[in-house]
Amino acid sequence: AQRVTQPEKLLSVFKGAPVELKCNYSYSGSPELFWYVQYSRQRLQLLLRHISRESIKGFTADLNKGETSFHLKKPFAQEEDSAMYYCALRGYNQGGKLIFGQGTELSVKP
Amino acid sequence: GAVVSQHPSRVICKSGTSVKIECRSLDFQATTMFWYRQFPKQSLMLMATSNEGSKATYEQGVEKDKFLINHASLTLSTLTVTSAHPEDSSFYICSARGGWQNTEAFFGQGTRLTVV
Repeated sequence: AQRVTQPEKLLSVFKGAPVELKCNYSYSGSPELFWYVQYSRQRLQLLLRHISRESIKGFTADLNKGETSFHLKKPFAQEEDSAMYYCALRGYNQGGKLIFGQGTELSVKP
Repeated sequence: GAVVSQHPSRVICKSGTSVKIECRSLDFQATTMFWYRQFPKQSLMLMATSNEGSKATYEQGVEKDKFLINHASLTLSTLTVTSAHPEDSSFYICSARGGWQNTEAFFGQGTRLTVV
């Protein structure tokens, strides 16, 4: 079965501290993995995707197929990073649908 | 990025009535649209996938007769909640995707439905 697990509901850090939001997935094949972010009162938007291998707003995520993980990292958190973060999986040949994790609320304190 | 617009953003309806939510792709042709339901500070639960001109594919446990989805054009999909009950109160979100490979899905701003 396809599943995305984000074990932390809430992650609270101080400004300037490193951040790691965990994401593990279950999929029998090679999925695409994504991180989406939802700032307060805004729509969901794509933060990054594993095939791009890029850094957006200082965030990076590496797909680890051995551990079936796609953790999101940032070395120095900023207050404006406070938001809900969702890890999502898209399977091959499944019409493009996204399966989302439960979401992690990141709170960056001054 | 591309823009997906949902309307209305908020709606209150009485139990037993039906309410329609529209999802439009404003600057691209959306061959596929997805409808999600989101509970407060929880995940997005996929309800159904609709392809233009075809019947929607519903996820397990989603009542197709209760949540009617129409995708009659490449820029518009509608979700109609029929005979609404208070337990249908939720945040409904659509996303739209073009037909090319590896394309990104863009999300609407969501519709807050309250059934009283």
